Amino acid sequence: QKEVEQDPGPLSVPEGAIVSLNCTYSNSAFQYFMWYRQYSRKGPELLMYTYSSGNKEDGRFTAQVDKSSKYISLFIRDSQPSDSATYLCAMSVPGGSYIPTFGRGTSLIVHP
Amino acid sequence: NAGVTQTPKFRILKIGQSMTLQCTQDMNHNYMYWYRQDPGMGLKLIYYSVGAGITDKGEVPNGYNVSRSTTEDFPLRLELAAPSQTSVYFCASSYSKPGRDGETQYFGPGTRLLVL
Repeated sequence: QKEVEQDPGPLSVPEGAIVSLNCTYSNSAFQYFMWYRQYSRKGPELLMYTYSSGNKEDGRFTAQVDKSSKYISLFIRDSQPSDSATYLCAMSVPGGSYIPTFGRGTSLIVHP
Repeated sequence: NAGVTQTPKFRILKIGQSMTLQCTQDMNHNYMYWYRQDPGMGLKLIYYSVGAGITDKGEVPNGYNVSRSTTEDFPLRLELAAPSQTSVYFCASSYSKPGRDGETQYFGPGTRLLVL
């Protein structure tokens, strides 16, 4: 079993839809959870960061962590064509092994 | 600040050739990383460095070498290129340990490498 599982998609939605992107993980020591957005032929850029459990909201984006289920989500409200990108989850363990482990990424297509 | 820059953007290599992928950052970051990304796959760590003169292996180091003689530069060397090394290579940097207190990795634009 991979440490971080993420459905690669593609996920195709109409403009204005609410999008839910998810990752599951097996390592209960993960405490830092990140979502990166990667546009085609570009490097990833950090979108959201959360520590431990709970929700974090930033504009149209909400990151949610459920440590009991080892499940994290990224919600995008009122999705726009400019949100079309690959979204990678990443997570890391505080202390020694701090290098993030990345999911495969989910390709999102928002069509007008 | 230019951030993280990588050269070349694209390269075709023949099997057995060697090349160096260049990476430079101007943010005075201590930590630097090399990843490869295959289609539909996540980022796999090749090598990383926590400061000048210090490097360590990641998940997939075979066939690659690195050096870190300055804070700014972290070149990745491919010796004896193989078709399995066809990939997109990303260099990244961070000031400190990523994740802690929201510290993020900053990624370069990538180098697309094709080995034929």
